[in-house]
Amino acid sequence: NAGVTQTPKFRVLKTGQSMTLLCAQDMNHEYMYWYRQDPGMGLRLIHYSVGEGTTAKGEVPDGYNVSRLKKQNFLLGLESAAPSQTSVYFCASSYSTEAQFFGPGTRLTVL
Amino acid sequence: SQKIEQNSEALNIQEGKTATLTCNYTNYSPAYLQWYRQDPGRGPVFLLLIRENEKEKRKERLKVTFDTTLKQSLFHITASQPADSATYLCALEYSGAGSYQLTFGKGTKLSVIP
Repeated sequence: NAGVTQTPKFRVLKTGQSMTLLCAQDMNHEYMYWYRQDPGMGLRLIHYSVGEGTTAKGEVPDGYNVSRLKKQNFLLGLESAAPSQTSVYFCASSYSTEAQFFGPGTRLTVL
Repeated sequence: SQKIEQNSEALNIQEGKTATLTCNYTNYSPAYLQWYRQDPGRGPVFLLLIRENEKEKRKERLKVTFDTTLKQSLFHITASQPADSATYLCALEYSGAGSYQLTFGKGTKLSVIP
């Protein structure tokens, strides 16, 4: 089992560019989450999904969109990147409302 | 609004001693609380979960307590080792509108000195 994988591991964007971060899990989990982690701010929830075809906003959703077309995949999109979106992005999944399993992270820099 | 505080950003202890980390919260009535470990450049790893009706939980050298009156959880690592050096995060469950979200503290960076 690979667990939770994230693609890409690193990315540098210019302001205004778009990109999609891919999260995949092979544990048949219902719940999936996208977080961002910034120095001094801790982990903050961007969007989450409680099942295939459903998504919901978290604490800091502005500037991001998500889709969960397949149960095993959760995509995070940045339509027009801004320097404030420079961060480390983590995807997580869980079977229920309990322990979350995190991916290795994507380090994104927006110039 | 909900608030979680981990008592210190950094904690240094001698190898073999017990490390105690604190997590305090306000404006919450969480059904459970979780602790995670995060190593540099990696994602958090789940360690323990304790429910509101549980006072204490143990896993090998780890012990977690949960005091809903004080709104506090303590995380202990006994016989600490340099390999325990990492950042430890507490997280509280927030249920709303049929969803289940975790709110994380900022973490405490533990350094175990040989």
